[in-house]
Amino acid sequence: DADVTQTPRNRITKTGKRIMLECSQTKGHDRMYWYRQDPGLGLRLIYYSFDVKDINKGEISDGYSVSRQAQAKFSLSLESAIPNQTALYFCATSDPGLTNEQFFGPGTRLTVL
Amino acid sequence: RKEVEQDPGPFNVPEGATVAFNCTYSNSASQSFFWYRQDCRKEPKLLMSVYSSGNEDGRFTAQLNRASQYISLLIRDSKLSDSATYLCVVTPMNTGFQKLVFGTGTRLLVSP
Repeated sequence: DADVTQTPRNRITKTGKRIMLECSQTKGHDRMYWYRQDPGLGLRLIYYSFDVKDINKGEISDGYSVSRQAQAKFSLSLESAIPNQTALYFCATSDPGLTNEQFFGPGTRLTVL
Repeated sequence: RKEVEQDPGPFNVPEGATVAFNCTYSNSASQSFFWYRQDCRKEPKLLMSVYSSGNEDGRFTAQLNRASQYISLLIRDSKLSDSATYLCVVTPMNTGFQKLVFGTGTRLLVSP
């Protein structure tokens, strides 16, 4: 079974709808992240959390919110989706240590019409 | 100027060839450096960390040049399975935590 899972894997929605993307992990890591990936722009950090109830903005947090109610779960919400939020979204986890490696989920492909 | 810049490619090489990618970074205080691999429509995965002294893992060799602010990845004896996008990743020093800054990736296509 995958260590980092994301649901849904694909979602098509309409402008103005509220969308929630879920991330779960079994790695036991405290740190979790949400990124979006767009062609030609690379991965950009939306929000990150170092512990339950700890929430920090990344470089592109406008239009998004997150919730970290448990160590294993980190959800990303789009309160009112807009077309330029169409992207590939990745959740990641890490354990603070020497390597700083991040482990990514399989991604959620979101299309906002 | 982007924090991390890579040639997007694609680099088209035959099996068995040696290919090298470079990546430049703008923050001279950057602390850690990595190469991640991303297959089409899949998640990025760590390929290797890049150390000041350079490091090798099988057919893959990574080098860091702090003076010129670039890192490189050399792949020897290319395999079809090496076809992927290679992401250069840098950790700036002064961000409060070790945030990863990703380049846009270099695409490699290995053909028979």
